[in-house]
Amino acid sequence: DTGVSQNPRHKITKRGQNVTFRCDPISEHNRLYWYRQTLGQGPEFLTYFQNEAQLEKSRLLSDRFSAERPKGSFSTLEIQRTEQGDSAMYLCASSLGLGAYNEQFFGPGTRLTVL
Amino acid sequence: RKEVEQDPGPFNVPEGATVAFNCTYSNSASQSFFWYRQDCRKEPKLLMSVYSSGNEDGRFTAQLNRASQYISLLIRDSKLSDSATYLCVVPKESGYALNFGKGTSLLVTP
Repeated sequence: DTGVSQNPRHKITKRGQNVTFRCDPISEHNRLYWYRQTLGQGPEFLTYFQNEAQLEKSRLLSDRFSAERPKGSFSTLEIQRTEQGDSAMYLCASSLGLGAYNEQFFGPGTRLTVL
Repeated sequence: RKEVEQDPGPFNVPEGATVAFNCTYSNSASQSFFWYRQDCRKEPKLLMSVYSSGNEDGRFTAQLNRASQYISLLIRDSKLSDSATYLCVVPKESGYALNFGKGTSLLVTP
């Protein structure tokens, strides 16, 4: 399968714990995005990387959230001191950025439940 | 006005029916627009792109009205497999990330 992959697919944690998610984009894609989706809502943008540079962050991305893409390939999203409000599906997407917009391909997501 | 607004539905239609979804957006500078489809508990997938006044792909037609900042998606001859949530999507002002509407739920019944 050469699509976007995300791990783990499900994560259950207790409030206050730290969690880390991983995203492996389509191999030649230079742009990588993180979104969060809650029930009944569309995905909400969190952050965007072009290669290893984090170029845009949403105000939704509080200080407890950090994302990295150290070598311009896979990316990690860490949430520190999780809160129940962090429970959501975390979606990663990638695109081949040759212009202003190119189709984003989404991974299957990581479903986070904070107890 | 919210960045992207859609009627959440649900729309329940019989097989063979024609159904239309509407979407309004706030960023008048947007040049491209998209409809994504999301099946239950699955990731969103691109259905159609709209760059000018409209686009047609088989049973699906997307139309754009820039003056009214309004996008529509028309599905003709609905199939059971069309049951899904349809997300109206407009690029953010930065041009890279996407603003999604809440989605419109469609259920096609036999």
